[in-house]
Amino acid sequence: EAGVVQSPRYKIIEKKQPVAFWCNPISGHNTLYWYRQNLGQGPELLIRYENEEAVDDSQLPKDRFSAERLKGVDSTLKIQPAELGDSAVYLCASSLRTAYNEQFFGPGTRLTVL
Amino acid sequence: LAKTTQPISMDSYEGQEVNITCSHNNIATNDYITWYQQFPSQGPRFIIQGYKTKVTNEVASLFIPADRKSSTLSLPRVSLSDTAVYYCLALRGSARQLTFGSGTQLTVLP
Repeated sequence: EAGVVQSPRYKIIEKKQPVAFWCNPISGHNTLYWYRQNLGQGPELLIRYENEEAVDDSQLPKDRFSAERLKGVDSTLKIQPAELGDSAVYLCASSLRTAYNEQFFGPGTRLTVL
Repeated sequence: LAKTTQPISMDSYEGQEVNITCSHNNIATNDYITWYQQFPSQGPRFIIQGYKTKVTNEVASLFIPADRKSSTLSLPRVSLSDTAVYYCLALRGSARQLTFGSGTQLTVLP
């Protein structure tokens, strides 16, 4: 069974440019998560979806970050415009149902903002 | 936002048992404690999950005392390949926000 797929794996952009990350969760997993992980720190939840509904987006910086999961399957996270401080690894994860379930993580996208 | 607390790093030798403790005050009654392992350039990987007392699987044990304000991950007979960062995760507080701990860098020495 395929795991969580993320693309791209690496992205280098200049500040003020837009960037988008894509995630395809494990088939049948209703819950999808986006995390940001800064160097030397634990993952920080940005947004959690249950099917198409964003049920926890309290830590998503809504002035520049947006996310969508239109059909309740794959998801896109966007930053516009990017800032230097957005350099981090962006991780996507999915779980079978609720946040209690085991989360399966993708390999992440490493973003570098110059 | 309150965070869980773990030791920053631990060293051990091959074949020893390693115990990593996580503090998680304000845990809600129905929340579960979950531990993840992360190797460099990879996403975290689930190790074990529990609610109270003791849970054991093929790779680890998890001990949670009655007050549930802390938990201890126990890795029996570690090997060099267990060198990784270990995170404690709890559904925290009334907002039920997912919060990873600061992580513990475990280094297993030969």
